[in-house]
Amino acid sequence: AQSVAQPEDQVNVAEGNPLTVKCTYSVSGNPYLFWYVQYPNRGLQFLLKYITGDNLVKGSYGFEAEFNKSQTSFHLKKPSALVSDSALYFCAVRDADTGGFKTIFGAGTRLFVKA
Amino acid sequence: DTAVSQTPKYLVTQMGNDKSIKCEQNLGHDTMYWYKQDSKKFLKIMFSYNNKELIINETVPNRFSPKSPDKAHLNLHINSLELGDSAVYFCASSQDPAGRNEQFFGPGTRLTVL
Repeated sequence: AQSVAQPEDQVNVAEGNPLTVKCTYSVSGNPYLFWYVQYPNRGLQFLLKYITGDNLVKGSYGFEAEFNKSQTSFHLKKPSALVSDSALYFCAVRDADTGGFKTIFGAGTRLFVKA
Repeated sequence: DTAVSQTPKYLVTQMGNDKSIKCEQNLGHDTMYWYKQDSKKFLKIMFSYNNKELIINETVPNRFSPKSPDKAHLNLHINSLELGDSAVYFCASSQDPAGRNEQFFGPGTRLTVL
């Protein structure tokens, strides 16, 4: 079975400070990992993904994430937060070997960036 | 040049009615999905089609019936609507079902059942 956990419902950070949104996953095989962002009243937008290769993945809007196999984590990071980064962030996982066609989404983490 | 579009954006209806939501993608993708997002923002897969064939059919009441007339369209028909069906429904598409490619989401349809 595959699952994904976002342990924080909400993350608060001041503008200009670094931000981290946490994600851990559980799969039997190799993971495909994704981050999406959802702004109010909008659909989800893709930020970045890890499929294979370098553990540090860079994505849209200055976001990056590090795949850590031993800790089964894929935390989203940004060196300097902007107020416009305030949104709902979803981590998602697909078990590449046994997950079938299903991508599982985490419960979401709401990010508030204060000016 | 919208990539994934859904109609209608808002749908307000009475319990017991039947309604449809339409989805179209112009990305040339082979795979399309329907998701339900509840009031707590939890996102749950409902159905997926690949090249017009059903490949994911989650535990969804059979009042929900997807239809894919062609690769670019995936519609969702809901019979005998219930209060608990109130949610935001998202259509999405991806290049293929293998999971390596990201999904592109539509803007959502907010369904309110009174």
